[in-house]
Amino acid sequence: DTAVSQTPKYLVTQMGNDKSIKCEQNLGHDTMYWYKQDSKKFLKIMFSYNNKELIINETVPNRFSPKSPDKAHLNLHINSLELGDSAVYFCASSQNSGANVLTFGAGSRLTVL
Amino acid sequence: KQEVTQIPAALSVPEGENLVLNCSFTDSAIYNLQWFRQDPGKGLTSLLLIQSSQREQTSGRLNASLDKSSGRSTLYIAASQPGDSATYLCAVGSGGSYIPTFGRGTSLIVHP
Repeated sequence: DTAVSQTPKYLVTQMGNDKSIKCEQNLGHDTMYWYKQDSKKFLKIMFSYNNKELIINETVPNRFSPKSPDKAHLNLHINSLELGDSAVYFCASSQNSGANVLTFGAGSRLTVL
Repeated sequence: KQEVTQIPAALSVPEGENLVLNCSFTDSAIYNLQWFRQDPGKGLTSLLLIQSSQREQTSGRLNASLDKSSGRSTLYIAASQPGDSATYLCAVGSGGSYIPTFGRGTSLIVHP
């Protein structure tokens, strides 16, 4: 069983479209994250949720809207996609928001044409 | 704001060498430091987690050390193998939010 699963793995879309990436973890963790990895492989935190509550929202355009229906799911919806949104998006989870090991999903590669 | 630097950015070595990868951070008030491995086109796999109260952690051929006062961690890989080829990332947990900040990684190639 995959601990942190993301769908879709690949997403190719046109500028201006709206798309979503889903993430689910079966580890019983309280905290989930979205990271963006750019073309230079730099991983940057976007959002963090603890028990369905937003605890971190870095300087991300408001076209990005995370949604956590329950603590096992953290979905990322992106409106009006731009070329610069092309990246690999990683979901991760940890037991809680303290000093715990992060477990990552396999990533979702988004390409905006 | 925490900044994490990894040196070298890339490393190519023959099989069997012992390696040291470096990670430095600007704010020494950290909670933990985690080393990850990323294979091409894959997610991140956690290798070692060092809590702020610890000096080192070991797992098999890997040993990670932490010196908070100097803002440094090293990942030591003994007797490197081609299967060790990957990008190694260091992530530092600090600040009130505990959110890990990543370095840009060291891309390692071990050739037979």
